[in-house]
Amino acid sequence: QKEVEQDPGPLSVPEGAIVSLNCTYSNSAFQYFMWYRQYSRKGPELLMYTYSSGNKEDGRFTAQVDKSSKYISLFIRDSQPSDSATYLCAPGLNTGFQKLVFGTGTRLLVSP
Amino acid sequence: EADIYQTPRYLVIGTGKKITLECSQTMGHDKMYWYQQDPGMELHLIHYSYGVNSTEKGDLSSESTVSRIRTEHFPLTLESARPSHTSQYLCASRPRTGPNSPLHFGNGTRLTVT
Repeated sequence: QKEVEQDPGPLSVPEGAIVSLNCTYSNSAFQYFMWYRQYSRKGPELLMYTYSSGNKEDGRFTAQVDKSSKYISLFIRDSQPSDSATYLCAPGLNTGFQKLVFGTGTRLLVSP
Repeated sequence: EADIYQTPRYLVIGTGKKITLECSQTMGHDKMYWYQQDPGMELHLIHYSYGVNSTEKGDLSSESTVSRIRTEHFPLTLESARPSHTSQYLCASRPRTGPNSPLHFGNGTRLTVT
């Protein structure tokens, strides 16, 4: 079983839609949760991170973590064509090497 | 704009050749990493370094080697390239470990071995 499961997509939505991107993970030791965005032919860049269960909002983006069900979500409001990218969830351990484990990424396409 | 640079961006090379993928960062970060990324697959950690003269193998078995003689430079070498090495290689760095220290990635080297 993979440590992090993520639907690879692609997920196609019209401009202005609310987008929900999701991950599940199996290791209950994960303590913090990052979302990276990767544009085509670029390296991933950090979008958001959160430590604990609950919601964290940053502009049009909301990260949500439910540790009890090991479920991570990223919501994008009023999606724009510039949001078209691959979104990777990456839970991490806060001990030892503090490794990040990446999901496969979900490819999002926002059409104008 | 990323402060971590990878060269070359694209490389097509024949089987058996020795290649070195370059990675440099100007941020003074101690910790550096090499990841391998195939289409539709997770990023897999292949090497990491905590600082100068420190290198470790990652989760994914790799026939590549790395060196860290200078803080800013973390090259990856394949002594004899094979078609199975065809992939995208991403270099990353971070100033410290922990949730408030994100990885900074370069734009990758896409390697094709024919």
